[in-house]
Order: sequence, then structure tokens, then C-alpha cells
Amino acid sequence: DAEITQSPRHKITETGRQVTLACHQTWNHNNMFWYRQDLGHGLRLIHYSYGVQDTNKGEVSDGYSVSRSNTEDLPLTLESAASSQTSVYFCASSRGQGATYEQYFGPGTRLTVT
Amino acid sequence: SQQGEEDPQALSIQEGENATMNCSYKTSINNLQWYRQNSGRGLVHLILIRSNEREKHSGRLRVTLDTSKKSSSLLITASRAADTASYFCATERSGGGADGLTFGKGTHLIIQP
Repeated sequence: DAEITQSPRHKITETGRQVTLACHQTWNHNNMFWYRQDLGHGLRLIHYSYGVQDTNKGEVSDGYSVSRSNTEDLPLTLESAASSQTSVYFCASSRGQGATYEQYFGPGTRLTVT
Repeated sequence: SQQGEEDPQALSIQEGENATMNCSYKTSINNLQWYRQNSGRGLVHLILIRSNEREKHSGRLRVTLDTSKKSSSLLITASRAADTASYFCATERSGGGADGLTFGKGTHLIIQP
């Protein structure tokens, strides 16, 4: 069965370190998204991609970057981790653009920046 | 910025009762979706309703959409303990929907046995 996976599931890192969170989907979806979920804020969009070599900023993109070298993977990099980036991160993919298509979510990565 | 806002923030009911959650949004939409999130898990899509639909059913779920009031409701009938979860509405982000979804903060539903 097709799926979307994230790794690691839990990560503790120190302030200032570079961290990369992996996201891999086997749905063959062109569209992939990264969200962060914080208490009191719900889900907020960090970056998204509509295909290979395409990346776009979401509403909370500062301090994060993504790259899309193939259809299956969209890694999220925190260039210099900050305590404000302690959060749960979710990757998602969808068959098409916009709200016409449902998004399939990964299980999440809980990141703690100390 | 968030487009949809769920109400109430938390809801606790007895098993077997019906649960109703509401979502209000600010700008015109083409579609609205509802998702469920169990504790420690990713979101799971429940149902999509289009702007030209007023009501949609899926099993024990009933979703309504009132575009004149910019609101939607999710009704879960005959609730079960397994329905305990957070529920989110999602709409296209402002600007026509080309940039994915925007989610509300969710309603946390607790079903008491």
C-alpha cells in the first residue's frame, strides 16, 4: 500500500545545529507540504512543492528550507535550530493542487531544540 | 493566517450521543475539508464538501456548508470511544487555492464511556 513516512519520529538537538527531517511518499504525488503544529496555533504551512525542482514558501518559512530532487522526497532543513522551532512537524502529499484534493499526512516528527 | 476556526475548542460527551463541531471561515471558498487527528498521529481526511453542496454524508458523519454564513458543521452521530480525537476544518489558503490548505486550530472531542 502507498504511504508517507517521516524520520526520525523524535529528535532532540541543540540550538544552532543544522537539522534535516526526512519525508518520503510512495503515492507518486507531485504535491508535498510541510507543516508545524503547536499548541494554540493549529497547523501552519512552512514550505510546499508542486513538483521536482519546485519549492515555495508558506506562512512560517523563516529559518527553514526544502529541496525537491525527486518525486518521492521532500526533506525539511532547519539551518540553525532555535528553541522557537521546537514543535511537531508533519509532512503531507496530495494528488493535485488546492482544496479540491485531500492531503495524506505522515505520522509526524517531534523536534525538541534545547 | 488561518482561514478556518473551529468551535468549540473542546467538547466532552457521553458515548452514544451526537457530537457537533462548527467551523467558520473568512473569505469565499471553493471547497472545505474536515480532518481527524488521533493523539500522537498525523491527520486523516474525513470528508470534502464543495461550495455548491449544502450537505454531505459519510457513514456516521454529516457535514453541512452554509456559504452565506461562511460556516460549516461536522456532526458525528452515535459517538464511540474511538471517535475521541481532534477535528480540523481546512480550506484553501486565501488567494484562490493554489497554495494548499489552511487549517483551523481544531476541536478536541472526548467521548466518555
